[in-house]
Amino acid sequence: QSVLTQPPSASGTPGQRVTISCSGSTSNFGSLNINWYQQVPGTAPKLLIYRNDLRPSGVPDRFSGSKSGTSASLAITGLESEDEADYYCAAWDDSLKHRVFGGGTRLTVL
Amino acid sequence: EVQLVESGGGLVQPGGSLRLSCAASGYTFRNYPMTWVRQAPGKGLEWVAYIGWDSKVIFYADSVKGRFTISRDDAENSLYLEMNNLKHEDTAVYYCARDSGIVGADDHWGQGTLVTVSS
Repeated sequence: QSVLTQPPSASGTPGQRVTISCSGSTSNFGSLNINWYQQVPGTAPKLLIYRNDLRPSGVPDRFSGSKSGTSASLAITGLESEDEADYYCAAWDDSLKHRVFGGGTRLTVL
Repeated sequence: EVQLVESGGGLVQPGGSLRLSCAASGYTFRNYPMTWVRQAPGKGLEWVAYIGWDSKVIFYADSVKGRFTISRDDAENSLYLEMNNLKHEDTAVYYCARDSGIVGADDHWGQGTLVTVSS
């Protein structure tokens, strides 16, 4: 079964660059397209990155995604207090016909 | 502006049933697949179900298969989730989301509706 693993927490100070990882535990991770969502507590998730490294319109270019081998990453540069939120990686596993989410990473801006 | 508004949540006893609705507006509903995603209190996101734009392709998470039914009414611009034999572990905020059609990325989400399964 496809499982996406994220660190439970991350932190940074304003202006800093932070990265959040998402690793896969299946042999087909290389074929997965990773999407990233941001969820401010108490609100609905928001699509941040799709197909590994593409940004929907309206998402600041401070946010970027990458994928290599068995892991993907979300990078946030010029960290701002409003970036404090939970971040989830996700993918559609075509072999399982399931959407899978990572466990989420709580980002704290110190 | 794309808007998704869920309704139908509430308190239900274990073994009971509930039907969630999601009203879509601001785009051509029939052209997009839709999904349901839930979030238990204090927990992460969990995918529940997917329905293709023409209702011919439907998938469920193993945790709800056989108990939940996803459907859509394009004439009403609405998505539904029929939930039967509810369990305590189904307690969650349920979000409907529009699948962009690109690698399963949900590009618009509703505000969610809370389902509480308790006696």
